[in-house]
Amino acid sequence: AQSVTQPDIHITVSEGASLELRCNYSYGATPYLFWYVQSPGQGLQLLLKYFSGDTLVQGIKGFEAEFKRSQSSFNLRKPSVHWSDAAEYFCAVGAGQAGTALIFGKGTTLSVSS
Amino acid sequence: GAVVSQHPSWVICKSGTSVKIECRSLDFQATTMFWYRQFPKQSLMLMATSNEGSKATYEQGVEKDKFLINHASLTLSTLTVTSAHPEDSSFYICSAMLGGAAYEQYFGPGTRLTVT
Repeated sequence: AQSVTQPDIHITVSEGASLELRCNYSYGATPYLFWYVQSPGQGLQLLLKYFSGDTLVQGIKGFEAEFKRSQSSFNLRKPSVHWSDAAEYFCAVGAGQAGTALIFGKGTTLSVSS
Repeated sequence: GAVVSQHPSWVICKSGTSVKIECRSLDFQATTMFWYRQFPKQSLMLMATSNEGSKATYEQGVEKDKFLINHASLTLSTLTVTSAHPEDSSFYICSAMLGGAAYEQYFGPGTRLTVT
């Protein structure tokens, strides 16, 4: 069965420091992979996605992620974190036909310290 | 960009009553909408897939008679929680899919349901 694991429940980084959020997936075929951010009172916003091709994908707000098939990972990175990046981050894998059903990880809460 | 709204954003109801939650795609037509449930500090769990004009497909373990889903138009899907109980209290989130590509799935802001 498909699954997504986000090993870190809560991460705190200093403003301006780099960030890496981990995501591991379990899926039989080539996965569709996503990172979403959820802020209080707002809907989930898509940061970036991977379907195929270049394994390093660029997203919005300065985020990027790298797909590593050998490690079944899709880690999210940002070189310099801003206080406004504090939020809940979810990794998801698209399952089912055309990857339409999303299976989410449990999320990582990012806190940014000044 | 594509916008999805949910109404209400917060609702309190008494045990045994029913409550309806609306999900609307405001500026696009969505043949497929999804309903998720999110417990505090936990992941989103897919409840059902709603296709316009047809019956919803429920995930295993989701009671279709308790969570009634209607996708009557290309811009509106509703979730009705029937005979609500305190354990139904949760955060319900919908998403709408633009076209057939998984990446074009847009999420509503969610509805907080509290059953007393």
